[in-house]
Amino acid sequence: EAEVAQSPRYKITEKSQAVAFWCDPISGHATLYWYRQILGQGPELLVQFQDESVVDDSQLPKDRFSAERLKGVDSTLKIQPAELGDSAMYLCASSIGADLRETQYFGPGTRLLVL
Amino acid sequence: DQQVKQNSPSLSVQEGRISILNCDYTNSMFDYFLWYKKYPAEGPTFLISISSIKDKNEDGRFTVFLNKSAKHLSLHIVPSQPGDSAVYFCAASAQAGTALIFGKGTTLSVSS
Repeated sequence: EAEVAQSPRYKITEKSQAVAFWCDPISGHATLYWYRQILGQGPELLVQFQDESVVDDSQLPKDRFSAERLKGVDSTLKIQPAELGDSAMYLCASSIGADLRETQYFGPGTRLLVL
Repeated sequence: DQQVKQNSPSLSVQEGRISILNCDYTNSMFDYFLWYKKYPAEGPTFLISISSIKDKNEDGRFTVFLNKSAKHLSLHIVPSQPGDSAVYFCAASAQAGTALIFGKGTTLSVSS
């Protein structure tokens, strides 16, 4: 069964350092999402891609976060510099199309701890 | 301001009994609702959805009920099994294509 791949699974960094997370969506899925889930909260959308284009990045803290999906396949989410409040689970999801009613398939996530 | 609320952080049920997980929403523009299940160390998995044109959707042991006038939906699991123990997230979207909004989740524990 096809799955969304994410790496690394865990990342510990010191504040002010740069971190990067990678996501490989299910093959053929045009839409890719990055979510942040703070402990005790639900996932919150950071950025949505349709192929290589950003559809929604209204909740992405653009002063320190960046995301790209250059070839419309895999994607990288970067934080520079990391802050203590960035400690969270970063989830990647993909869906076949852009309609939010289409099922989103989530990867296992990257758990980030900023010290 | 939370648009999707799951007011019960946890629920404990015995195997074979019914589990009822509740979700309230405030945005009247929401017209599509989903439930996701999440096991530890895994990403959320889609469980069941319902459109606002319906008031009930059933899939095996899982049934979602929608009460639009009360802005309330619930997930019923009958009969509950120990493997159902997980965190359940309610999520909603609006027709305008805004982002999927998740609740904080309810942790279900089913004991044998």
